[in-house]
Amino acid sequence: AQSVTQLGSHVSVSEGALVLLRCNYSSSVPPYLFWYVQYPNQGLQLLLKYTSAATLVKGINGFEAEFKKSETSFHLTKPSAHMSDAAEYFCAVSALGGGYNKLIFGAGTRLAVHP
Amino acid sequence: SAVISQKPSRDICQRGTSLTIQCQVDSQVTMMFWYRQQPGQSLTLIATANQGSEATYESGFVIDKFPISRPNLTFSTLTVSNMSPEDSSIYLCSAEEAGANVLTFGAGSRLTVL
Repeated sequence: AQSVTQLGSHVSVSEGALVLLRCNYSSSVPPYLFWYVQYPNQGLQLLLKYTSAATLVKGINGFEAEFKKSETSFHLTKPSAHMSDAAEYFCAVSALGGGYNKLIFGAGTRLAVHP
Repeated sequence: SAVISQKPSRDICQRGTSLTIQCQVDSQVTMMFWYRQQPGQSLTLIATANQGSEATYESGFVIDKFPISRPNLTFSTLTVSNMSPEDSSIYLCSAEEAGANVLTFGAGSRLTVL
């Protein structure tokens, strides 16, 4: 079965510092992987997705993620954090047999950015 | 990408009552889904809303508790029946446009059951 593990339920960084949010997946087939962001009282917004093309995926708002098959990881990074990046971030994998639109989500990581 | 509107955005309900959440997409979409996000937790797929046929439910979710309708390619409803405080959650509608390879989400409906 597919699964996603996000390491660290809370991450705190200083404004301007590197953001690193960790995601490891388990999948018996080549996965499709996604990062979504949820701002307070809002729905989920897609940051980026990996669908077996380039392993380094660039998304919106300066975020990027690298698919590493050997490490079964899909960590999300941003070189310089901004106050507006404070939000909840979810990693997700497509469910086996369900296609890329049936997603299994990780528990989420809440990112705090302080001055 | 498609824009998804949900209503109500939030509601406070009494135990034992039922509430219907509406999901409207601004374009025709192939797939629509309903997710639940319990307080402080991640998203769990409730069901796939199938146009013109019965919804497909995930393990742990049943039609009697969460009846779903999808009368056309742009609209779906989720009813939370006979609510208890354990049903207090955010319910999110999502949709996939043909060939988009990505899910778009509504802003969610936050239900509090007293």
